[in-house]
Amino acid sequence: AQSVTQPDIHITVSEGASLELRCNYSYGATPYLFWYVQSPGQGLQLLLKYFSGDTLVQGIKGFEAEFKRSQSSFNLRKPSVHWSDAAEYFCAVGAVLTGGGNKLTFGTGTQLKVEL
Amino acid sequence: EAGVAQSPRYKIIEKRQSVAFWCNPISGHATLYWYQQILGQGPKLLIQFQNNGVVDDSQLPKDRFSAERLKGVDSTLKIQPAKLEDSAVYLCASSPSLGNEQFFGPGTRLTVL
Repeated sequence: AQSVTQPDIHITVSEGASLELRCNYSYGATPYLFWYVQSPGQGLQLLLKYFSGDTLVQGIKGFEAEFKRSQSSFNLRKPSVHWSDAAEYFCAVGAVLTGGGNKLTFGTGTQLKVEL
Repeated sequence: EAGVAQSPRYKIIEKRQSVAFWCNPISGHATLYWYQQILGQGPKLLIQFQNNGVVDDSQLPKDRFSAERLKGVDSTLKIQPAKLEDSAVYLCASSPSLGNEQFFGPGTRLTVL
């Protein structure tokens, strides 16, 4: 079964500083990987996704992520954080199920705080 | 394009009562998902529909939870009777087809007292 580990529960960065959120996954085949962001009281918004091809993926709001198969990682990065980036970030792995259907498994999330 | 709609946004009930949540997916999206998100955790898939058929309900507590998607559009999720541990945010998502990006609604926050 697939699983996702986000080792950092909370991260605090200063506005303008760079950011890296860690994500490690476990899956037997080539995974579909996602990063979602959730602001308080809101649903999840997709930041970026990796299905195949270029291992460096660009997303919305200036975010990018790099798929490293050898490390089973899909870390999220942003070169300069804005105060509005404060939110909870979820990494997810998607798997196509035998017989049809797919399934997203989420990590436990990383809460990002931005200091002004 | 309208997003995924959910109602109510908040619900407070007492244990052993019943509750129902409603979801209207993005128009034309064939696949609909219900997730449970307990405070401090990531969302957990409860059930997945393709049109009006169930694709995966392996993590749905079927002794108390039920869901339906009549006519392959709107869906309802019901809990009967509710337990304290059902307190969570219930998220609905939809996607154009299997394997594609999922679009999430704002969720329903359930508190069971």
